Amino acid sequence: ETGVTQTPRHLVMGMTNKKSLKCEQHLGHNAMYWYKQSAKKPLELMFVYNFKEQTENNSVPSRFSPECPNSSHLFLHLHTLQPEDSALYLCASSPRTSGPDTQYFGPGTRLTVL
Amino acid sequence: AQTVTQSQPEMSVQEAETVTLSCTYDTSESNYYLFWYKQPPSRQMILVIRQEAYKQQNATENRFSVNFQKAAKSFSLKISDSQLGDTAMYFCAFMKGSGGSNYKLTFGKGTLLTVNP
Repeated sequence: ETGVTQTPRHLVMGMTNKKSLKCEQHLGHNAMYWYKQSAKKPLELMFVYNFKEQTENNSVPSRFSPECPNSSHLFLHLHTLQPEDSALYLCASSPRTSGPDTQYFGPGTRLTVL
Repeated sequence: AQTVTQSQPEMSVQEAETVTLSCTYDTSESNYYLFWYKQPPSRQMILVIRQEAYKQQNATENRFSVNFQKAAKSFSLKISDSQLGDTAMYFCAFMKGSGGSNYKLTFGKGTLLTVNP
């Protein structure tokens, strides 16, 4: 399998549930990202990981908890979410060899919080 | 902080015709990169084209080209010979080129392009 994959593709959860989103990249990249895409709004960067270390948390509420066990895998753990958290969550990766580089996106997980 | 503005929420074009999508940005940076990404309905977002601000020559990729006007802070995308498969949401994005910024992408709200047969 190539590129950036995300599972599940669709997720419906209640506000008291705990769930996790998974992202895997098969590109040998060193940086991974979580974005939130809501209707009528620009994509919002949530977290950045470089070489497994979190280097950016864009003031994301603690009910979103990222985990990056290695450069190929990224998780987003969800707990006691709110209906306004319903959105498309996109994972991306980039080479991060040196300097700015192109980010490659996964297909996203469509999250609905009831 | 950087901002990216796409003033056309929706556009349509006939197959085989040419269409131009607008993007303006605001930054005090001198070194940066600009991108156009395409997100087809229910499909993955993919890179269409990338422009380095230090390059005066406009980037081109097959039927896709940009008109980069640095002084005006404008970065429009031209799609020639439009095809049905070009129907998608198009996002303009900005990235700072230096300064340990994590090289974050700042996106516009997008333009939904529909190519009609």
